[in-house]
Amino acid sequence: QKEVEQNSGPLSVPEGAIASLNCTYSDRGSQSFFWYRQYSGKSPELIMFIYSNGDKEDGRFTAQLNKASQYVSLLIRDSQPSDSATYLCAGSNTGNQFYFGTGTSLTVIP
Amino acid sequence: DTEVTQTPKHLVMGMTNKKSLKCEQHMGHRAMYWYKQKAKKPPELMFVYSYEKLSINESVPSRFSPECPNSSLLNLHLHALQPEDSALYLCASSQVVGSNYGYTFGSGTRLTVV
Repeated sequence: QKEVEQNSGPLSVPEGAIASLNCTYSDRGSQSFFWYRQYSGKSPELIMFIYSNGDKEDGRFTAQLNKASQYVSLLIRDSQPSDSATYLCAGSNTGNQFYFGTGTSLTVIP
Repeated sequence: DTEVTQTPKHLVMGMTNKKSLKCEQHMGHRAMYWYKQKAKKPPELMFVYSYEKLSINESVPSRFSPECPNSSLLNLHLHALQPEDSALYLCASSQVVGSNYGYTFGSGTRLTVV
């Protein structure tokens, strides 16, 4: 069973819209969750991390964690073409191991 | 300095060659990692070093040999690789294993085995 699952997409949204990326995890003991952005041919770049239930906002990005539902999401407000990338959800489990989801490809259409 | 530096950025090697990938960080992080990433796939963990000691080897073939000479450096020695080993090799570091603050990735080495 995969530790972290994501819808691979692709997800397309018009410029200025809200992009919603979702992730579920299987290990209830997982402590922390991370969203990475990866442009084609480049390395992953950490956008946000969250370890408490609720919302965490940073500029146009909001991470949401619901431990009861084992669900993590990333909202991108006012999406820009430069946000087009693959978004990787990752979790850190009770064994202090770090697992990536398969990634969601996002395209923001001008 | 908030970067992880990897060299070389690109490497082409034959199946009989021996080469090394290098990774360096000066953030004081005590956990360092090697990941392998194939196209359109997520990174796959290969090795974890914690306080300069190998703590996790994810059943990686022996043709890949990691080395951590000190707390800032991580090497990956390559020998007798196969064409299917061609991939992007990513180094990452974190404050400690399981850090709540996530990993910082280097820009990667694009490896092609011919």
